[in-house]
Amino acid sequence: EAQVTQNPRYLITVTGKKLTVTCSQNMNHEYMSWYRQDPGLGLRQIYYSMNVEVTDKGDVPEGYKVSRKEKRNFPLILESPSPNQTSLYFCASSRSGQGHEQYFGPGTRLTVT
Amino acid sequence: DAKTTQPNSMESNEEEPVHLPCNHSTISGTDYIHWYRQLPSQGPEYVIHGLTSNVNNRMASLAIAEDRKSSTLILHRATLRDAAVYYCILRGYNTNAGKSTFGDGTTLTVKP
Repeated sequence: EAQVTQNPRYLITVTGKKLTVTCSQNMNHEYMSWYRQDPGLGLRQIYYSMNVEVTDKGDVPEGYKVSRKEKRNFPLILESPSPNQTSLYFCASSRSGQGHEQYFGPGTRLTVT
Repeated sequence: DAKTTQPNSMESNEEEPVHLPCNHSTISGTDYIHWYRQLPSQGPEYVIHGLTSNVNNRMASLAIAEDRKSSTLILHRATLRDAAVYYCILRGYNTNAGKSTFGDGTTLTVKP
């Protein structure tokens, strides 16, 4: 089954404790992206990757890192999480960054205390 | 970045057609118009996309204005399961290829 998976689905952590949210897709897509969703602010893009080893900032990249060492995986790294990074995170992938539909993962709900 | 504008909310009766509008006056010639929807407690789901011509699929139809500055997502017979937030975004081959800017979307309420 074609899908985007994220782990963990739920995470409660403390300020400053480094964490990684994994994202994997099995569709051989070149493009992957991370979004966060907060009440009243809609979906905002954090980082995206047009292909392996190619990443770029979205609208809200501060406090996040990403890497794209292989096509199927696009982990989101929070080196020193803060409470304002408490949010619902979605990973997405598509065949390209332009004219193809995005497939979204189920989301990761992160709480930073 | 090319932006889209949608009404905050719309209501429809079950079994009736719904027309969800989207304005994108700064669209460039290589931008595709994409529609996604998000049901409560779920990730966004692709609905339909197009470039210039009207498009149909099993979920909906997309009508694109001749000047491409606006588009309309058409749900032919709304059901209660269509109640969701609908987002219209642009994805293109310009210098911002790869960026996806979701606005606030339109919250569709379907009344039985």
